[in-house]
Amino acid sequence: NAGVTQTPKFRVLKTGQSMTLLCAQDMNHEYMYWYRQDPGMGLRLIHYSVGEGTTAKGEVPDGYNVSRLKKQNFLLGLESAAPSQTSVYFCASSYSGSGNTIYFGEGSWLTVV
Amino acid sequence: GENVEQHPSTLSVQEGDSAVIKCTYSDSASNYFPWYKQELGKRPQLIIDIRSNVGEKKDQRIAVTLNKTAKHFSLHITETQPEDSAVYFCAASKNDYKLSFGAGTTVTVRA
Repeated sequence: NAGVTQTPKFRVLKTGQSMTLLCAQDMNHEYMYWYRQDPGMGLRLIHYSVGEGTTAKGEVPDGYNVSRLKKQNFLLGLESAAPSQTSVYFCASSYSGSGNTIYFGEGSWLTVV
Repeated sequence: GENVEQHPSTLSVQEGDSAVIKCTYSDSASNYFPWYKQELGKRPQLIIDIRSNVGEKKDQRIAVTLNKTAKHFSLHITETQPEDSAVYFCAASKNDYKLSFGAGTTVTVRA
């Protein structure tokens, strides 16, 4: 099992550019999440999905969109990148929502200049 | 929504000593409290968790205590070793999937 994998791992964007982060999990998990991690602020939930074809907003959804067309994939899109979106992005998944272990991907380092 | 506060933000301990990290949460309905360890440049990984029907849980050198009345929970690491150096995050959730994380504690174990 590869677990949760994210691509790309590093990316530099110019302000206004768009990009998509791809997350894939091979654990047959129903729930998937996108978090961002900034110094001194822990991990904040951007968007999440409770199953194929569903998405919902987390704490900090503005400027991001997501899609879950297949159960194993969860895409995070930035339509018009801003310097404030410079961060480390973590995808995660869990079997179900109620207190089950959340497994994280290795992270994607994004810099917007 | 849930608000989780974590203290201290940094902690330096001598190898062999104990380390304690404390977290408070705001939503009395929260019932699941995991702790994650994140080494530099790595992903967060679950090290221990506790549910609201339990007051304490131990796993080798790591223990977590929960005080529901006061709405706080703590991580205790005994006999610290250099490999315990990392950032530790507490989190809370209430029977759903949206973990709310604390800001993290950077633990440094001095040899």
